[in-house]
Amino acid sequence: DVKVTQSSRYLVKRTGEKVFLECVQDMDHENMFWYRQDPGLGLRLIYFSYDVKMKEKGDIPEGYSVSREKKERFSLILESASTNQTSMYLCASSLEQGAGFDEQYFGPGTRLTVT
Amino acid sequence: GQNIDQPTEMTATEGAIVQINCTYQTSGFNGLFWYQQHAGEAPTFLSYNVLDGLEEKGRFSSFLSRSKGYSYLLLKELQMKDSASYLCAVRATSGGSYIPTFGRGTSLIVHP
Repeated sequence: DVKVTQSSRYLVKRTGEKVFLECVQDMDHENMFWYRQDPGLGLRLIYFSYDVKMKEKGDIPEGYSVSREKKERFSLILESASTNQTSMYLCASSLEQGAGFDEQYFGPGTRLTVT
Repeated sequence: GQNIDQPTEMTATEGAIVQINCTYQTSGFNGLFWYQQHAGEAPTFLSYNVLDGLEEKGRFSSFLSRSKGYSYLLLKELQMKDSASYLCAVRATSGGSYIPTFGRGTSLIVHP
């Protein structure tokens, strides 16, 4: 079974802090994604990566950056956390870039609260 | 960009059939996914359609009409455990990438 793990289930940070959210997948997947999920807004893509050291902006990249130094690990960084970044953050991975069937596997999520 | 629309909430009775619709507007369509998400849990994959027609998988079926920009997820013999949010995701080509965009989800409540 594919497993996607995230470093924390719950996190509380103060405004202005630098925040790291870690995601690890164990199935040698090419693609990794970071989403945030807010009530009434659904899942919104922040960044994705289709290879080591490669990254692409999603729909809402402002205030975030990412790092993918190893294939299995994709980190989301909040350089200076703000209260409007309070949200559920979900990491996902999928097998490969391409047009075929390619389901995403999601991690359990990190609920981040910025006070 | 993409515009994906699905109802916010639906209710149904245990044992019944429910149809959750998803309409979309996009260029470069390249597949539609349905995911199930129970409260407090991660989304899990249910179905995938890329050609027109019906895909059946046990109690769940998904239909796609590309010309109409329309899909539905059909759940038969509803069980209480089917109470969850159902997410429609449309994949489209974007600068050589194939990235899915999610709708806002439909919260299904199954009652006895």
